[in-house]
Amino acid sequence: KAGVTQTPRYLIKTRGQQVTLSCSPISGHRSVSWYQQTPGQGLQFLFEYFSETQRNKGNFPGRFSGRQFSNSRSEMNVSTLELGDSALYLCASSLGQATDTQYFGPGTRLTVL
Amino acid sequence: EDKVVQSPLSLVVHEGDTVTLNCSYEVTNFRSLLWYKQEKKAPTFLFMLTSSGIEKKSGRLSSILDNKELFSILNITATQTGDSAVYLCAVETGNQFYFGTGTSLTVIP
Repeated sequence: KAGVTQTPRYLIKTRGQQVTLSCSPISGHRSVSWYQQTPGQGLQFLFEYFSETQRNKGNFPGRFSGRQFSNSRSEMNVSTLELGDSALYLCASSLGQATDTQYFGPGTRLTVL
Repeated sequence: EDKVVQSPLSLVVHEGDTVTLNCSYEVTNFRSLLWYKQEKKAPTFLFMLTSSGIEKKSGRLSSILDNKELFSILNITATQTGDSAVYLCAVETGNQFYFGTGTSLTVIP
C-alpha cells in the first residue's frame, strides 16, 4: 500500500507571497491532519480534515487554511507569508477514528526569504 | 493550557545501554498518548497508549502509561546505533494533538 505523499518536497518563497501544499493520504484513509515543525517550537498541530470538513483546528492565524477533496486529498494554503513560516510542513493520514494511528508523509520544506 | 513535556531533552549512550525516556502531560479530555521516532524525515509511529498500566512492547522497545500521575515512559533496551533519533511523544485530546519537543537520543558504537 502506498504511503502518504506530499508535494512539493521543497519550496522557496518570498515574504508576502502565498503557497499551497498538497497531501495525498493512504488509500482508504479519510482523515488528514497538518502539522508545522520548526526547531524552536517543535511539532504543532494546524488542523484536521475528515470527509471534506475541518474537524479540528490548532492555534494558528487565519492565514493558514486548508481543504479536503472528495478523494480525501488535502491542500493547505498559507497566505501573506512571513519569515517565521519557514518550517517543515507534515501531513498525516488515518482512518479517522479517534484511536487510529496516524501515518506521516515525508513533509514539505518551506523556506521564506 | 494543555502541554506535553519530555525529558531529558537529549541523551548520549553507548551501544548496549538501556534508556528510559519520559513524557508528562497536562491536558483536558485525554484520549491517547503516542510515541514516534523521527530520524531525518517524517515521524514513524511506535506506540499508542490509552489504558493505564498496560505495557506495550515491540522488540527492544516498550512503553507504559500512568494516567493517574499523567506520564508515560519509553524504554529501549540493548540500544543500537540505529536507535539514534528524536523520540516524540504526543497526546491526543478531544480535538487535537499536542506534541512534546522530543528527546534526542544518540547511541555511540
